[in-house]
Amino acid sequence: DSGVTQTPKHLITATGQRVTLRCSPRSGDLSVYWYQQSLDQGLQFLIQYYNGEERAKGNILERFSAQQFPDLHSELNLSSLELGDSALYFCASSAGTALDTPLHFGNGTRLTVT
Amino acid sequence: DAKTTQPTSMDCAEGRAANLPCNHSTISGNEYVYWYRQIHSQGPQYIIHGLKNNETNEMASLIITEDRKSSTLILPHATLRDTAVYYCIGRTSYGKLTFGQGTILTVHP
Repeated sequence: DSGVTQTPKHLITATGQRVTLRCSPRSGDLSVYWYQQSLDQGLQFLIQYYNGEERAKGNILERFSAQQFPDLHSELNLSSLELGDSALYFCASSAGTALDTPLHFGNGTRLTVT
Repeated sequence: DAKTTQPTSMDCAEGRAANLPCNHSTISGNEYVYWYRQIHSQGPQYIIHGLKNNETNEMASLIITEDRKSSTLILPHATLRDTAVYYCIGRTSYGKLTFGQGTILTVHP
């Protein structure tokens, strides 16, 4: 158990809808990361927050947004969903952003868009 | 992050050591080598990381060559539960990790 909690585990929704994925980082970790894993793309970095502020952006679509709250949990909002958004979404956390600080991943939310 | 090259797949017999190679010839001086694995569709699991020296923890050992252009992850006594995709990552970015395609390790009975 990595200590990173993601909810829900599974989500099935229709095209055009909006969903929110939630992540609780490990106790004491200030940094949160979101990754997307689809069958044909591998693990893709989406966005990183550190202590409530956005730190880095990756291949995140404009339809997607995220935030980190004062209690350090994070939410990833996906809107105007398309079939191609079906994927596993992973959250990771780390104590800081130093190069020798490992990321620890949750077990993901499996999103299916029908 | 430095580009890393790993074999697409490897096999190992249960109980034997699994030695997973990684080439990172363009690695820079402050770049750490990280290893993660992903079992089935679970979240990536942190294994070990290092900068210059060899490292060992309860899961594995990491051997980094003196010129730092390659490294080997060693699972000393592989079990069936070690069957997974193993990712070698060279990390320079403060924050994110960039995952490649990894090595599919299959441990056979």
